[in-house]
Parts: sequence; structure tokens; C-alpha cells
Amino acid sequence: DAKTTQPTSMDCAEGRAANLPCNHSTISGNEYVYWYRQIHSQGPQYIIHGLKNNETNEMASLIITEDRKSSTLILPHATLRDTAVYYCIVTLIQGAQKLVFGQGTRLTINP
Amino acid sequence: ETGVTQSPTHLIKTRGQQVTLRCSSQSGHNTVSWYQQALGQGPQFIFQYYREEENGRGNFPPRFSGLQFPNYSSELNVNALELDDSALYLCASSLDITGVNGYTFGSGTRLTVV
Repeated sequence: DAKTTQPTSMDCAEGRAANLPCNHSTISGNEYVYWYRQIHSQGPQYIIHGLKNNETNEMASLIITEDRKSSTLILPHATLRDTAVYYCIVTLIQGAQKLVFGQGTRLTINP
Repeated sequence: ETGVTQSPTHLIKTRGQQVTLRCSSQSGHNTVSWYQQALGQGPQFIFQYYREEENGRGNFPPRFSGLQFPNYSSELNVNALELDDSALYLCASSLDITGVNGYTFGSGTRLTVV
């Protein structure tokens, strides 16, 4: 699996958009980008995933660059409940999909 | 729909003992994966079960074993516990073997080995 690089920590004001970057310069053509988050004392929560095109769901938007070497997760109107560790994961869609979690970005939403 | 439930939530064991952790997958999900999360680290893949068979394994020794039952629930067994096995053990289920639509994780079992 390709490796990802994320900032260790970020801060964002409540109500503002939180933009979390992820670098995955060695991604291969058939690997997807997934985002999960982990709120303290809970298991990780799936947010969104994409292959090439930008994606949006009720939680977030995912912007993938044209060369697919980086992506940005956007939380459009961050709330205090969005404070969590956010993991960017690159993986193949295949049997025994193994999620390789890095250190993630610790996002703190400030009032 | 119910999510993934794990039991127990907390457990304290002595080095050398054996432990069994349990997981009920989300309704309709047939694939279960187990992860170990040490303090301050991201989760690490232990193994995955599909149709009651182990379907992939991470870098964990054979004393970590598992089972999946016909109702898709699962168990993680760890023999000869070591102090380094102290961690949060997470169970995750998915709709199918590819996990393409994401995994649903439980809140985990916190295991402490003393």
C-alpha cells in the first residue's frame, strides 16, 4: 500500500471550513483514497472515499488533484464535535482490504 | 440498523493468560476485520474473516487467532499474553469482502496485561 503524509496537528475555528491535506505521491492507478476519523475513546469512523473524481457526501467533501498525488478533506462548517484524529488511507479495493493507518492529523476545533 | 458491538469494553489479564474478545458485526455485514491500537498509535490490521475463513493477516504471531460464526459475529483469541499486548482492540465490519463502502468500527475492547 502507498504511504501517506499528513500534518501532525491542525486548528480550526468553529463554523469555518476545515481543510485537511494529505500527500500520497506514490499512489498507484487503482488505489483509492479513504478518510476515517477517530474521536477520543471511540473506534474510527468512515468519512468518504474516492478514486479520481471529487466526492461529496453529508459529512465532507474530498478533493483529489488531477495527478492524484495529493488530496484534501473538507469539513464545510466545522463544529466542536469534529475534533478528532483524521486518517488519510490509500488502499486497493480487493479481498482482505487492509487499512494501513498512519499517525493521522489531530484536528482541534476551537470555539 | 445496529452498529458493531464489542465485549467486554475493558479487561485486565495477567501475563501468560489467554483472552477472548467478541464482536457482533453490523446487520447485513458479512466481513469482519480486527485491529490492534496501541496508545498514541494508529490501528494495526490483525486479520480479516469472510465466510468463516481467515482471509488475510497482518504482521501478528500465531498466538493471535480468530473465528467467525455463521451469523458473521467473530472472536479474537490471544494466547500467552505479553505486556505489549496491552492495547485497544477494534473490530470492524463491512458489507462485503472488498470493503469498498467503508468499514464500520466498534468502540473497542481495552485490554490491559499486567
